Amino acid sequence: DADVTQTPRNRITKTGKRIMLECSQTKGHDRMYWYRQDPGLGLRLIYYSFDVKDINKGEISDGYSVSRQAQAKFSLSLESAIPNQTALYFCATGRAGDYGYTFGSGTRLTVV
Amino acid sequence: KNEVEQSPQNLTAQEGEFITINCSYSVGISALHWLQQHPGGGIVSLFMLSSGKKKHGRLIATINIQEKHSSLHITASHPRDSAVYICAVAPFGNEKLTFGTGTRLTIIP
Repeated sequence: DADVTQTPRNRITKTGKRIMLECSQTKGHDRMYWYRQDPGLGLRLIYYSFDVKDINKGEISDGYSVSRQAQAKFSLSLESAIPNQTALYFCATGRAGDYGYTFGSGTRLTVV
Repeated sequence: KNEVEQSPQNLTAQEGEFITINCSYSVGISALHWLQQHPGGGIVSLFMLSSGKKKHGRLIATINIQEKHSSLHITASHPRDSAVYICAVAPFGNEKLTFGTGTRLTIIP
C-alpha cells in the first residue's frame, strides 16, 4: 500500500455539488497538506494541518474546507463546486522539524 | 514574481544526452527539494538538500546556498526520464514549501 493514499483518483462532478477528497497516510507524520496544481502554475497550498487540532488556511482556501479526522486522515471538501476548481489535487505529509515531504498520487477533479 | 524560478520550462533531448535543469530562488531557505512528476502520475521526491551535492543513480543534485541556485543533472538520459521536474524550497522558519512551475523534460529515443 502507498504511504499516502488519495481517493478518488479521478472525479467528474457538476457545478454546485458538494464533493470530498480524502487523504490517508501510514507514515505517522503529524503535518498534512492539501495542494492544487493547475497547468503553468506551481503547486499552491489550500490548507494545512500541523496536528489534529491545528488547521490553517493556505494561500487559496476560498471555496474549500478541510477536516482532520485523525492524525492519519485529512479530507478536503468543496462545498459548492465551480468549474474553475477543475485541477489536480495533491495531499502531502511531513514531520515536525523535518523538511521531507511525501506526496499522494493526486486526485484529478473536473467540475462541469 | 515567483520566489522560485526554473529554467528551461521545456527541454527536449536525445537519449543519452546529459541534462541540466536549473532552479533559482530569492529567499533564505532551510531545504530545497527536487520532485518528479510523470504524466498523469503522482509526485515523487528525488532529493532534499540544504548544501553541497547528492547523487542517486544517474541523477545528481547540487546547491549553491550563497548564489541561491540549484541544478538537477541527469546523465545518460533515457526516455523513461521524461517527466516534469519540480523545484521547491522551504524558506527559513517555514515548513511549507514554495514551488517552481516545473520543467517538462522529453527524451527522444
